[in-house]
Amino acid sequence: DVVMTQTPVSMSVSLGGQVSISCRSSQSLVHNNGNTYLSWYIQKPSQSPQLLIYKVSNRFSGISDRFSGSGSGTDFTLKISRVEPDDLGVYYCGQGTQYPYTFGAGTKLELK
Amino acid sequence: QIQLVQSGPELKKPGESVKISCKASGYTFTDYAMHWVKQAPGKGLKWMGWINTYTGKPTYADDFKGRFVFSLEASASTANLQISNLKNEDTATYFCARGTLLAHWGQGVMVTVSS
Repeated sequence: DVVMTQTPVSMSVSLGGQVSISCRSSQSLVHNNGNTYLSWYIQKPSQSPQLLIYKVSNRFSGISDRFSGSGSGTDFTLKISRVEPDDLGVYYCGQGTQYPYTFGAGTKLELK
Repeated sequence: QIQLVQSGPELKKPGESVKISCKASGYTFTDYAMHWVKQAPGKGLKWMGWINTYTGKPTYADDFKGRFVFSLEASASTANLQISNLKNEDTATYFCARGTLLAHWGQGVMVTVSS
């Protein structure tokens, strides 16, 4: 199975600040079809996860441009700029390149 | 708009079975696979597998082979998850999620297994 390692486990941020979350996979996430199926999700308290970013850097419908994804191969980053109160929650990276799909353990974003 | 509406919370005893539903609306049900994801209390996300909503063929992650069954009521745009011989460690919230990207999620069903 592909192991997804997220860092940090948690982080505190001031409103208006910027954060970066790292996600590393134990194997390359480049699919045979050339796509890289690395996604980012946010799970707000008592809610379902929501897709933010798919295929490394594509913002899902309705997602603010304050969220950006980058990376390639095994190394990926989610950046959030101008953090707002609604951004708080747990962020997960996840891979859909090979079965079984796997997720990182999550990064909890809290207010400083 | 696309919606996945799941059934309500369940309280079961060890050894019993449970069936959870996920009713889709706002799109053509058979155009997208349905995935299932488990989240134990206070824990992260674990992918259980998926079902091809066109053919009905299920695919299970290794940890979910045997007691777990994915099924469809395609005429009702509904995907189901049945868990038999429930164990304490099955206590979790179970989510359905649409498509390869898991772009849309149900609200989750809390299943509690306790004697």
